Amino acid sequence: SQQGEEDPQALSIQEGENATMNCSYKTSINNLQWYRQNSGRGLVHLILIRSNEREKHSGRLRVTLDTSKKSSSLLITASRAADTASYFCATDENTDKLIFGTGTRLQVFP
Amino acid sequence: GAGVSQSPSNKVTEKGKDVELRCDPISGHTALYWYRQSLGQGLEFLIYFQGNSAPDKSGLPSDRFSAERTGGSVSTLTIQRTQQEDSAVYLCASSLVAGGASQPQHFGDGTRLSIL
Repeated sequence: SQQGEEDPQALSIQEGENATMNCSYKTSINNLQWYRQNSGRGLVHLILIRSNEREKHSGRLRVTLDTSKKSSSLLITASRAADTASYFCATDENTDKLIFGTGTRLQVFP
Repeated sequence: GAGVSQSPSNKVTEKGKDVELRCDPISGHTALYWYRQSLGQGLEFLIYFQGNSAPDKSGLPSDRFSAERTGGSVSTLTIQRTQQEDSAVYLCASSLVAGGASQPQHFGDGTRLSIL
Protein backbone atom coordinates (compact mmCIF):
# COMPACT_ATOMS: atom_id res chain seq x y z
CA SER A 1 0.00 0.00 0.00
CA GLN A 2 1.14 3.55 -0.64
CA GLN A 3 1.53 5.45 2.61
CA GLY A 4 2.81 8.76 1.30
CA GLU A 5 1.21 10.81 -1.42
CA GLU A 6 3.31 13.56 -2.92
CA ASP A 7 1.94 16.76 -4.32
CA PRO A 8 2.36 17.99 -6.97
CA GLN A 9 2.95 14.98 -9.20
CA ALA A 10 5.10 17.13 -11.48
CA LEU A 11 6.76 20.52 -11.10
CA SER A 12 8.65 22.63 -13.64
CA ILE A 13 10.66 25.67 -12.60
CA GLN A 14 13.54 27.85 -13.76
CA GLU A 15 17.03 27.66 -12.28
CA GLY A 16 17.34 29.85 -9.21
CA GLU A 17 13.70 29.43 -8.18
CA ASN A 18 12.65 27.49 -5.10
CA ALA A 19 10.85 24.15 -5.38
CA THR A 20 8.40 22.93 -2.77
CA MET A 21 7.06 19.39 -2.65
CA ASN A 22 4.53 18.09 -0.19
CA CYS A 23 3.89 14.65 1.24
CA SER A 24 0.86 13.44 3.15
CA TYR A 25 0.59 10.16 5.00
CA LYS A 26 -2.18 8.24 6.71
CA THR A 27 -0.98 6.61 9.93
CA SER A 28 1.28 7.56 12.82
CA ILE A 29 4.99 7.42 12.11
CA ASN A 30 8.30 7.27 13.94
CA ASN A 31 10.32 8.96 11.24
CA LEU A 32 10.03 10.28 7.71
CA GLN A 33 12.65 10.32 4.98
CA TRP A 34 13.06 12.03 1.62
CA TYR A 35 14.86 10.47 -1.32
CA ARG A 36 15.89 11.64 -4.79
CA GLN A 37 15.93 9.45 -7.89
CA ASN A 38 17.66 10.49 -11.08
CA SER A 39 16.39 8.91 -14.28
CA GLY A 40 17.51 5.30 -14.62
CA ARG A 41 19.23 5.26 -11.24
CA GLY A 42 18.51 4.07 -7.73
CA LEU A 43 17.24 6.27 -4.93
CA VAL A 44 19.55 8.48 -2.92
CA HIS A 45 18.78 9.32 0.69
CA LEU A 46 18.49 13.07 1.27
CA ILE A 47 17.28 13.70 4.79
CA LEU A 48 15.61 12.00 7.77
CA ILE A 49 13.31 13.81 10.16
CA ARG A 50 12.07 12.27 13.40
CA SER A 51 8.49 12.52 14.58
CA ASN A 52 9.49 14.86 17.43
CA GLU A 53 11.23 17.28 15.05
CA ARG A 54 9.45 20.04 13.19
CA GLU A 55 12.13 21.24 10.80
CA LYS A 56 15.48 20.09 9.50
CA HIS A 57 18.04 21.61 7.14
CA SER A 58 20.72 20.12 4.94
CA GLY A 59 22.48 22.49 2.57
CA ARG A 60 19.84 23.86 0.19
CA LEU A 61 17.23 21.44 1.52
CA ARG A 62 14.68 22.25 4.18
CA VAL A 63 12.22 19.66 5.44
CA THR A 64 9.27 20.34 7.70
CA LEU A 65 7.05 17.85 9.47
CA ASP A 66 3.59 18.46 10.88
CA THR A 67 2.43 15.31 12.65
CA SER A 68 -0.94 16.85 13.52
CA LYS A 69 -1.67 17.24 9.81
CA LYS A 70 0.24 14.08 8.85
CA SER A 71 2.23 16.02 6.28
CA SER A 72 5.77 16.96 5.37
CA SER A 73 7.29 19.34 2.87
CA LEU A 74 10.63 19.43 1.08
CA LEU A 75 11.93 22.81 -0.02
CA ILE A 76 14.86 23.08 -2.41
CA THR A 77 16.19 26.63 -2.49
CA ALA A 78 18.02 28.25 -5.43
CA SER A 79 17.38 25.24 -7.64
CA ARG A 80 19.86 24.05 -10.25
CA ALA A 81 19.43 22.03 -13.42
CA ALA A 82 21.17 19.17 -11.59
CA ASP A 83 18.24 19.03 -9.14
CA THR A 84 16.08 17.62 -11.93
CA ALA A 85 14.89 14.26 -10.58
CA SER A 86 11.98 12.52 -8.90
CA TYR A 87 11.58 13.07 -5.16
CA PHE A 88 9.95 10.58 -2.83
CA CYS A 89 8.93 10.68 0.79
CA ALA A 90 8.97 7.48 2.81
CA THR A 91 7.53 6.58 6.20
CA ASP A 92 7.53 3.45 8.31
CA GLU A 93 4.04 3.10 9.82
CA ASN A 94 5.87 2.12 13.03
CA THR A 95 7.32 -0.98 11.33
CA ASP A 96 10.78 -1.97 10.10
CA LYS A 97 9.75 -1.30 6.50
CA LEU A 98 9.80 1.87 4.42
CA ILE A 99 6.62 2.76 2.57
CA PHE A 100 7.22 5.12 -0.34
CA GLY A 101 4.94 7.68 -1.88
CA THR A 102 4.30 8.07 -5.59
CA GLY A 103 6.85 10.85 -6.03
CA THR A 104 7.12 14.35 -7.47
CA ARG A 105 8.91 14.76 -10.82
CA LEU A 106 10.90 17.99 -10.69
CA GLN A 107 12.20 19.59 -13.88
CA VAL A 108 14.57 22.55 -13.49
CA PHE A 109 15.20 24.49 -16.70
CA PRO A 110 18.52 26.29 -17.13
CA GLY B 1 33.59 2.62 -0.63
CA ALA B 2 31.55 0.26 -2.81
CA GLY B 3 27.84 0.83 -2.91
CA VAL B 4 24.99 -1.61 -3.52
CA SER B 5 25.57 -3.55 -6.71
CA GLN B 6 22.83 -5.20 -8.76
CA SER B 7 23.11 -7.50 -11.74
CA PRO B 8 22.17 -7.74 -14.47
CA SER B 9 21.36 -4.09 -15.13
CA ASN B 10 18.95 -5.13 -17.87
CA LYS B 11 17.18 -8.42 -18.51
CA VAL B 12 14.88 -9.29 -21.40
CA THR B 13 13.21 -12.65 -21.34
CA GLU B 14 10.23 -14.48 -22.76
CA LYS B 15 7.01 -15.00 -20.87
CA GLY B 16 7.09 -18.22 -18.88
CA LYS B 17 10.84 -18.24 -18.27
CA ASP B 18 12.43 -18.02 -14.81
CA VAL B 19 14.73 -15.13 -13.95
CA GLU B 20 17.24 -14.52 -11.16
CA LEU B 21 18.23 -11.06 -10.04
CA ARG B 22 21.26 -10.51 -7.85
CA CYS B 23 22.06 -7.93 -5.18
CA ASP B 24 25.39 -7.31 -3.42
CA PRO B 25 24.74 -5.06 -0.41
CA ILE B 26 27.20 -2.73 1.25
CA SER B 27 29.62 -4.72 3.37
CA GLY B 28 28.53 -4.81 7.00
CA HIS B 29 24.92 -3.92 6.31
CA THR B 30 22.69 -6.45 8.02
CA ALA B 31 19.38 -5.38 6.46
CA LEU B 32 18.58 -5.94 2.78
CA TYR B 33 15.40 -4.92 0.96
CA TRP B 34 13.86 -5.66 -2.44
CA TYR B 35 11.43 -3.28 -4.15
CA ARG B 36 9.64 -3.18 -7.47
CA GLN B 37 9.10 0.05 -9.38
CA SER B 38 6.76 0.16 -12.35
CA LEU B 39 7.20 2.89 -14.96
CA GLY B 40 6.69 6.33 -13.45
CA GLN B 41 5.50 4.90 -10.14
CA GLY B 42 6.69 4.76 -6.58
CA LEU B 43 8.37 1.80 -4.96
CA GLU B 44 6.47 -1.33 -3.98
CA PHE B 45 8.00 -3.24 -1.06
CA LEU B 46 8.60 -6.92 -1.79
CA ILE B 47 10.73 -8.52 0.94
CA TYR B 48 13.38 -7.71 3.50
CA PHE B 49 16.06 -9.61 5.39
CA GLN B 50 17.51 -8.64 8.76
CA GLY B 51 20.52 -10.63 9.93
CA ASN B 52 19.64 -14.25 10.61
CA SER B 53 15.97 -13.56 11.30
CA ALA B 54 13.22 -14.98 9.12
CA PRO B 55 12.63 -12.61 6.19
CA ASP B 56 9.52 -10.45 5.97
CA LYS B 57 7.89 -11.73 2.78
CA SER B 58 4.66 -9.81 3.18
CA GLY B 59 5.13 -7.79 -0.02
CA LEU B 60 5.71 -10.65 -2.44
CA PRO B 61 2.86 -10.46 -4.99
CA SER B 62 2.55 -14.19 -5.66
CA ASP B 63 4.18 -17.54 -4.94
CA ARG B 64 6.10 -17.16 -8.21
CA PHE B 65 8.36 -14.71 -6.35
CA SER B 66 10.98 -15.87 -3.88
CA ALA B 67 14.22 -14.53 -2.46
CA GLU B 68 17.11 -15.81 -0.46
CA ARG B 69 20.12 -14.28 1.19
CA THR B 70 23.16 -16.46 1.55
CA GLY B 71 25.69 -15.94 4.32
CA GLY B 72 24.03 -12.72 5.36
CA SER B 73 25.38 -10.96 2.29
CA VAL B 74 24.40 -11.53 -1.35
CA SER B 75 20.71 -11.88 -2.14
CA THR B 76 18.92 -13.39 -5.12
CA LEU B 77 15.35 -12.58 -6.14
CA THR B 78 13.82 -15.30 -8.30
CA ILE B 79 10.72 -14.93 -10.42
CA GLN B 80 9.34 -18.18 -11.81
CA ARG B 81 7.13 -18.50 -14.89
CA THR B 82 7.40 -14.79 -15.63
CA GLN B 83 4.35 -12.85 -16.78
CA GLN B 84 4.22 -9.57 -18.71
CA GLU B 85 2.99 -7.73 -15.61
CA ASP B 86 6.30 -8.61 -13.95
CA SER B 87 8.02 -6.08 -16.23
CA ALA B 88 9.45 -3.39 -13.96
CA VAL B 89 12.64 -2.15 -12.37
CA TYR B 90 13.65 -4.25 -9.38
CA LEU B 91 15.59 -2.26 -6.81
CA CYS B 92 17.67 -3.56 -3.94
CA ALA B 93 18.67 -1.53 -0.90
CA SER B 94 20.67 -2.17 2.24
CA SER B 95 20.97 -0.47 5.60
CA LEU B 96 23.17 -0.92 8.63
CA VAL B 97 20.25 -2.49 10.49
CA ALA B 98 16.53 -2.74 9.87
CA GLY B 99 14.70 0.14 11.44
CA GLY B 100 11.92 1.43 9.27
CA ALA B 101 12.46 5.10 8.58
CA SER B 102 15.06 5.46 11.35
CA GLN B 103 17.77 4.11 9.05
CA PRO B 104 18.78 5.52 5.66
CA GLN B 105 18.65 2.94 2.92
CA HIS B 106 21.30 2.73 0.22
CA PHE B 107 20.05 1.69 -3.18
CA GLY B 108 21.52 -0.04 -6.18
CA ASP B 109 20.68 1.17 -9.68
CA GLY B 110 18.25 -1.66 -10.21
CA THR B 111 17.59 -4.38 -12.76
CA ARG B 112 15.25 -3.37 -15.58
CA LEU B 113 13.23 -6.50 -16.37
CA SER B 114 11.28 -6.74 -19.61
CA ILE B 115 9.02 -9.71 -20.30
CA LEU B 116 8.17 -10.23 -23.95
